[in-house]
Formats: sequence, C-alpha cells, structure tokens
Amino acid sequence: QVQLVESGGGVVQPGQSLRLSCTASGFTISHYKMHWVRQAPGKGLEWVSIISEDGFSKYYTDSVKGRFTISRANSKNTLSLQLTSLRPEDTAVYYCARGNLPDLYIDVWGTGTTVTVS
Amino acid sequence: AIQVTQSPSSLSASVGDKVSITCRAGQDISSALAWYQHIPGTSPKLLIYAASSLHSGVPSRFSGSGSGTDFTLTITNVQPEDFATYYCQQFKIYPFTFGPGTKVHL
Repeated sequence: QVQLVESGGGVVQPGQSLRLSCTASGFTISHYKMHWVRQAPGKGLEWVSIISEDGFSKYYTDSVKGRFTISRANSKNTLSLQLTSLRPEDTAVYYCARGNLPDLYIDVWGTGTTVTVS
Repeated sequence: AIQVTQSPSSLSASVGDKVSITCRAGQDISSALAWYQHIPGTSPKLLIYAASSLHSGVPSRFSGSGSGTDFTLTITNVQPEDFATYYCQQFKIYPFTFGPGTKVHL
C-alpha cells in the first residue's frame, strides 16, 4: 500500500528550529520528485518545496527561502524538511507528497504533521 | 510567481446537482493544472491532473477542462461525500501555486 507518514511536528517558540521527516512505504522515493505542502489554520493549501530524485535540485516558495531546507535519503526511503528561524506564520499542518508525471502533480499525500510556532 | 484564482469562493449545492468551479492562472500554463478535494481532518485527494485527466479511482462524475489560463472542474450529480473544499494547482512554473479554494456546501 502506497503511503507517506510524516513525523517531527511540535510546538516551538519563534526563532527556533524543527526537523520534519516523512517515511514512504509501498513505493521507492528514488523514482520520484517529492514535495512539501502546508496548510495554516483556517487557510488554504500552500506549496512549500520540491526536491529532485537525486536530491540536487531544490525549489522553495519565497516565504521560506533561506530558512527551510528540503533533503532526502533515498537509501532510507525518507524525505526531510529542516525548518529554522521559525515564525508564527509558519504554524501549519505540513504534508509530504509524491510528485508524478506529467507535470509533477501530487498523486500521493502524507497524513500530515502539525507545527505550532508560539 | 503565477497567481491562481478560483471562483466562486464557496457555493451551495444539493445532492444530484451539477456544479462547476473555475480556476484562472495569471499566465499561460498550458495544461499543467491539477484539482484536489480536501475534507477537513483528512489529506487532500487528487481528482484531475493535466487539466482534464481523471486520476485512477476517482468517480467519473468529476471532470476537468480548459487550457492556457482558464480551467473548470465540474461535478455532475453531486453526492453527499462531495461536500468539501476544492483546490486547483498550477505546475508550469515554480512556485507551484494553489488557488485559494472553493468550498462546496449544502
């Protein structure tokens, strides 16, 4: 069964850091680009970042550039998101997700992990 | 960044209705657009990719159309499980922006 499960969320103070992890099962992440998407309380979905299959190409939304770092460990079938210099507006449910062809649309979503910055 | 808008922001429907949601991109994105359904407390679900291709397992009452800048998601014969928020997302240029969502309610 294809599945993504995030972990690592929690409550932190502004300026602190957090590392989110995402473990895949039922498929090999090395074959896919992987995304992070978030949803702040009462708000819509916001695309955060993407990483290429080999981990060399990474893109971020402007609001997290220089603060968040996406990475992957294909040998462990895991994806990570390092969050630093956290702000209250980063409070959200964070989803990892699989990008598929064509266009890298998201066909598999994780269960989500909640980050609260307060 | 490409701006993506949706209309309406919410709409009222009854079981059996046909509803349409519009998504507009700020520039030509060809067919690089997907539609998702999101029910609170669950993970979003892919409905349509490449503007008009139905994702595996999605009921055929869902359909997508459009290309360039204007796109439509149509639900024919709305079912009780379809009351949710629907989002479009463009995949032409980073960042892969979402529309603000359309809430379909009773």
